[in-house]
Amino acid sequence: NAGVTQTPKFQVLKTGQSMTLQCAQDMNHEYMSWYRQDPGMGLRLIHYSVGAGITDQGEVPNGYNVSRSTTEDFPLRLLSAAPSQTSVYFCATTQGHGYTFGSGTRLTVV
Amino acid sequence: QQQVKQSPQSLIVQKGGISIINCAYENTAFDYFPWYQQFPGKGPALLIAIRPDVSEKKEGRFTISFNKSAKQFSLHIMDSQPGDSATYFCAARRRIQGAQKLVFGQGTRLTINP
Repeated sequence: NAGVTQTPKFQVLKTGQSMTLQCAQDMNHEYMSWYRQDPGMGLRLIHYSVGAGITDQGEVPNGYNVSRSTTEDFPLRLLSAAPSQTSVYFCATTQGHGYTFGSGTRLTVV
Repeated sequence: QQQVKQSPQSLIVQKGGISIINCAYENTAFDYFPWYQQFPGKGPALLIAIRPDVSEKKEGRFTISFNKSAKQFSLHIMDSQPGDSATYFCAARRRIQGAQKLVFGQGTRLTINP
């Protein structure tokens, strides 16, 4: 039982490149979300999904896309990376009150 | 606009002392207030949580105090230990049209000196 698995753990991108951050869960939770963590700002919600085929925007969605074709997977796409997207990204699943976070992806955009 | 304000940003406490972290919120639609603990290189993990109809919740050395009228809540760590050194986040949840959103405070880096 792996919980929430995020890949890759580290990534360096050049400005303008695109990439997909992967998130997979084996807990059969319907609700999944993506957060970014920046110093002094806590975690901010990027996008979330209440189930397969349903996604919505959070606080800071600009520059990011998501899709949810299965319950297990919730990838986050950066369409054209910018230095402002340098951050640590966390995926989470939710059942009731409990949020389970992955171990994060540290992304640097140069 | 920070919906949940957390202080202090950093805190140093001697081993055996009491660590206190404070949070304040504005939105009365929040219905659940968790605290998360995060170690370097790891994701946040739920530590303890409280509902707004309760004024205090204690789990071992960790206590949440909740003041609904003041819209403030705090985390107290009694007998603080070096293993408690981590970053702590308060959060507040609101439900919107079948979904739920968790809003985090800015975080407090806690260091417990041996």
